[in-house]
Amino acid sequence: EVQLLESGGGLVQPGGSLRLSCAASGFTFSSYAMSWVRQAPGKGLEWVSIIDGSGYSTYYADSVKGRFTISRDNSKNTLYLQMNSLRAEDTAIYFCVYGGNDSFDIWGQGTMVTVSS
Amino acid sequence: ETVMTQSPATLSVSPGERATLSCRASQSVSSSLAWYQQKPGQAPRLLIYDTSTRATGIPARFSGSGSGAEFTLTISSLQSEDFAVYHCQQYNNWPWTFGQGTKVEIK
Repeated sequence: EVQLLESGGGLVQPGGSLRLSCAASGFTFSSYAMSWVRQAPGKGLEWVSIIDGSGYSTYYADSVKGRFTISRDNSKNTLYLQMNSLRAEDTAIYFCVYGGNDSFDIWGQGTMVTVSS
Repeated sequence: ETVMTQSPATLSVSPGERATLSCRASQSVSSSLAWYQQKPGQAPRLLIYDTSTRATGIPARFSGSGSGAEFTLTISSLQSEDFAVYHCQQYNNWPWTFGQGTKVEIK
């Protein structure tokens, strides 16, 4: 069974940084693309970033490009999202998602990021 | 980017009745359309991909149809556990985008 467990969320001031982690289990982690999708309070879903299985190819939404970095450690079955220069509009639940080359197949429970002074 | 518009925003349905949800794309997405269900406080769950293919474990009362820019999710006979928010998502035109969601509530 695929399981995804996010951590690292919290309260951060505007301009600050945060690193999210996602521990994966139940599948051959290095074989699959992984994504981050976020949901602002009371709002819809927004794709943030995707990384291929090897970690060499990454893509970002325009809203986070240049500020966020997705990475993975296949030896630890862990996905990361480094978030810098955070803004109030980055406040959201961040979901780690298995897949993303097309549909988003399996979602973690999410971790809340709040950007506020 | 491709804008996905879902209607209605809220759908009030009695248990046992049929629910029909719509999703419209601002440009063709071919058949690259998925639907997700999200209950309060939970993560989304993939229901349907490629317009009409049910994901593993999804009951047959959920069906999807459409092509190009117009899509429909039908729940044939609503069960209590089906009251939730439903999101559509296209994966034909980069970046992948979601609709704003349709809330299915108890009438």
